[in-house]
Amino acid sequence: QVQLQQSGPQLLKPSQTLSLTCAISGESVSSDSAAWNWIRQSPSRGLEWLGRTYYRSKWFNDYAVSVKSRITINPDTSKNQFSLHLNSVTPEDTAIYFCARAAGANWFDPWGQGTLVTVSS
Amino acid sequence: SYVLTQPPSVSVAPGKTATITCGGINIGGRSVNWYQQQAGQAPVLVIYNDRGRPSGIPERFSGSNSGNTATLTISRVEAGDEADYYCQVWHSGSDPPYVFGTGTKVTVL
Repeated sequence: QVQLQQSGPQLLKPSQTLSLTCAISGESVSSDSAAWNWIRQSPSRGLEWLGRTYYRSKWFNDYAVSVKSRITINPDTSKNQFSLHLNSVTPEDTAIYFCARAAGANWFDPWGQGTLVTVSS
Repeated sequence: SYVLTQPPSVSVAPGKTATITCGGINIGGRSVNWYQQQAGQAPVLVIYNDRGRPSGIPERFSGSNSGNTATLTISRVEAGDEADYYCQVWHSGSDPPYVFGTGTKVTVL
């Protein structure tokens, strides 16, 4: 059974970098049948997919256009986890951030517990 | 980008049936997934591929999809079903390609 454990809450100032990790148990981050995703949720934007990393003989990344210039998602095979980095944050990046596994036909299961990120001057 | 529209709220008495809709252009041609999110918790998958039910999800949860509307039906509603529900599809021609609905709050009276 796959489980995802996220790092703790962050309070950031505008222009700083958001950094979160998602530790995986029960499956390898290098699995060739899964993709590892970041999704955020806010009252103004609802649930918003941000990007993913996955391994298919080599590593691939896909990012939403809305954050593509600011986002990096990296796997860490030594710790069996993956990370999210979002630079130049603004108050609009305030949200609960979730990691989630996608397998098969593109549904998300399971999800991490969520991490609150607040951006405020 | 592709848009999925849900009613903001649905109210239902215990033991009755709740019906939650998800509208999108030609959504019937796509696979729809549904998530339940209880207060302060992460979303949980309750239906995948229109009508598949993950292990551990009660048979009271069912899904259908046709035309421009997908539907999640909760039969014999219980107090513990009170939550927000979201539909989701994969749409390769959209950005982002993973699209979520606007969400429906189910209130058990």
